[in-house]
Amino acid sequence: DTAVSQTPKYLVTQMGNDKSIKCEQNLGHDTMYWYKQDSKKFLKIMFSYNNKELIINETVPNRFSPKSPDKAHLNLHINSLELGDSAVYFCASLTNTGELFFGEGSRLTVL
Amino acid sequence: GQQLNQSPQSMFIQEGEDVSMNCTSSSIFNTWLWYKQDPGEGPVLLIALYKAGELTSNGRLTAQFGITRKDSFLNISASIPSDVGIYFCAGWRYGNKLVFGAGTILRVKS
Repeated sequence: DTAVSQTPKYLVTQMGNDKSIKCEQNLGHDTMYWYKQDSKKFLKIMFSYNNKELIINETVPNRFSPKSPDKAHLNLHINSLELGDSAVYFCASLTNTGELFFGEGSRLTVL
Repeated sequence: GQQLNQSPQSMFIQEGEDVSMNCTSSSIFNTWLWYKQDPGEGPVLLIALYKAGELTSNGRLTAQFGITRKDSFLNISASIPSDVGIYFCAGWRYGNKLVFGAGTILRVKS
């Protein structure tokens, strides 16, 4: 059983398209995150939700819209994709002792 | 913003050697975490540190939470080929943002 699972693992699409990445955690945690990892491997926080409520929005363009239907799911929708959106997007889930567990990542390539 | 300076950026070492990497900051952190990322995978938590001065081991890995709360180091003893990957330090301050260092790329010669 994968604790934090993301789909799809790979996404190749054209500029201007809209795409979504889904994330689910079966750990019973209240808080989930989206991180973006660029080509230099730097991990940058994008969003955080606690029990379906947005608690962090790290100056991400509003083309990116997270949605949390329940505390076990945090999806990321991206409108009007741009070349610079190409990256690996990681979902993560937070324990109550401050340990973040990551999914395997979703590699987005915008052509 | 909050910055973690991680060094070295990369290391190329002989199998069997010990490895050391560290993270420093001008800010105080109240938790330090060390992660390893293999190619095509997400970061995996290796060690979590919660108190200043704390020294914690996980197999061949040892990490310490600096006494000033502004730094942490990770040591790997007797490195083996599967130790290759990217190692990240990360720290919590107050609030709910986990800040990451830029990573240390470890390559091991067998």
